[in-house]
Amino acid sequence: DAGITQSPRHKVTETGTPVTLRCHQTENHRYMYWYRQDPGHGLRLIHYSYGVKDTDKGEVSDGYSVSRSKTEDFLLTLESATSSQTSVYFCATNPPSGDTQYFGPGTRLTVL
Amino acid sequence: GQQVMQIPQYQHVQEGEDFTTYCNSSTTLSNIQWYKQRPGGHPVFLIQLVKSGEVKKQKRLTFQFGEAKKNSSLHITATQTTDVGTYFCAGPRGGRTNKLIFGTGTLLAVQP
Repeated sequence: DAGITQSPRHKVTETGTPVTLRCHQTENHRYMYWYRQDPGHGLRLIHYSYGVKDTDKGEVSDGYSVSRSKTEDFLLTLESATSSQTSVYFCATNPPSGDTQYFGPGTRLTVL
Repeated sequence: GQQVMQIPQYQHVQEGEDFTTYCNSSTTLSNIQWYKQRPGGHPVFLIQLVKSGEVKKQKRLTFQFGEAKKNSSLHITATQTTDVGTYFCAGPRGGRTNKLIFGTGTLLAVQP
């Protein structure tokens, strides 16, 4: 699936600690996205990027920041993790033609 | 704001029975996509519909895009255990390509 990897795959952390999730793609896709998935809410867009150093907020961006210094890497940072950020986080990319998205395997984050 | 709802949230069927999930958007969509997520997996693109009233088939799966381009359906004929998973519809967010808004998803359970 578009050569997307996410790390770590699982993480348990404590409230108040910073956390960084990494998404790496090998397809040279311009667009990249971070979603969170929670029961009853489907997939909600946190942040997205339309190129190196070009990012924008999604619908649930509070408490999250992102960075994209290289085409292949998109980092999601939780500045100070809270229990409400316990979720499964998916990275996705979008090839140049069309708007079909390809998803990474996900990161399960638990904030205690 | 823009919303995409799916019904039902959950459906349990006996293997061999048919299944339908419905997707309803609060706004007109230029296209609609469907994704499948197996338990513990990540969303995988199934199909995209673009034209009003369009119907597409993939083996036992039939996808339909409504005439008003605000709703869609996915029908599975004679379900199999391999059909288990959550089915999501998605459409362009805010009318822009490269940003999607996902439906809330329908979880399908198939009993052998």
